[in-house]
Amino acid sequence: EPEVTQTPSHQVTQMGQEVILRCVPISNHLYFYWYRQILGQKVEFLVSFYNNEISEKSEIFDDQFSVERPDGSNFTLKIRSTKLEDSAMYFCASSADRVWDTIYFGEGSWLTVV
Amino acid sequence: GQQVMQIPQYQHVQEGEDFTTYCNSSTTLSNIQWYKQRPGGHPVFLIQLVKSGEVKKQKRLTFQFGEAKKNSSLHITATQTTDVGTYFCAVMDSNYQLIWGAGTKLIIKP
Repeated sequence: EPEVTQTPSHQVTQMGQEVILRCVPISNHLYFYWYRQILGQKVEFLVSFYNNEISEKSEIFDDQFSVERPDGSNFTLKIRSTKLEDSAMYFCASSADRVWDTIYFGEGSWLTVV
Repeated sequence: GQQVMQIPQYQHVQEGEDFTTYCNSSTTLSNIQWYKQRPGGHPVFLIQLVKSGEVKKQKRLTFQFGEAKKNSSLHITATQTTDVGTYFCAVMDSNYQLIWGAGTKLIIKP
């Protein structure tokens, strides 16, 4: 079965540093997403991306965050000047269609800010 | 904004017993999705319901969407150890953002 892959699986960073989380969505998918899950809590939507631009973003996705599709395969989430409360599992996901198609999640990147 | 309430937070069952989790919204939903997340794992899509009163089955899992499209349930018959995990409902709001319930953790008593 096709899968979304994410790297790194775990990253520890110092407060104030910049972090880039990488994702390779499923190849024929058009919609890409980032979600986060703070330990023990529910999954929260961050941003969706379509046609090389952000299509929707949540209140969480402020100026500290940015996304990019630098080439035809990678989809990245950049977190500038990380804070302790950014510690969470970050899931990348992709789907062929925005509404009706299954959203496939990657295994996540666990970010620990110290 | 759109919110969805999911209960219970935890459910402890003996293996072989049934399990049910419920999601409720104060507003009419266009659709509802269900996901399973194994401990330490990522959410895995189970199903999407879109029609009023819809009932769908996947082996021992039964998913229902209420007549008013404001509530949904997931019922697992005769739980097995492989069912352990957290079950989330999620709804797509008018901005196409997937809004998640808090999840119900299924715990099998030893």
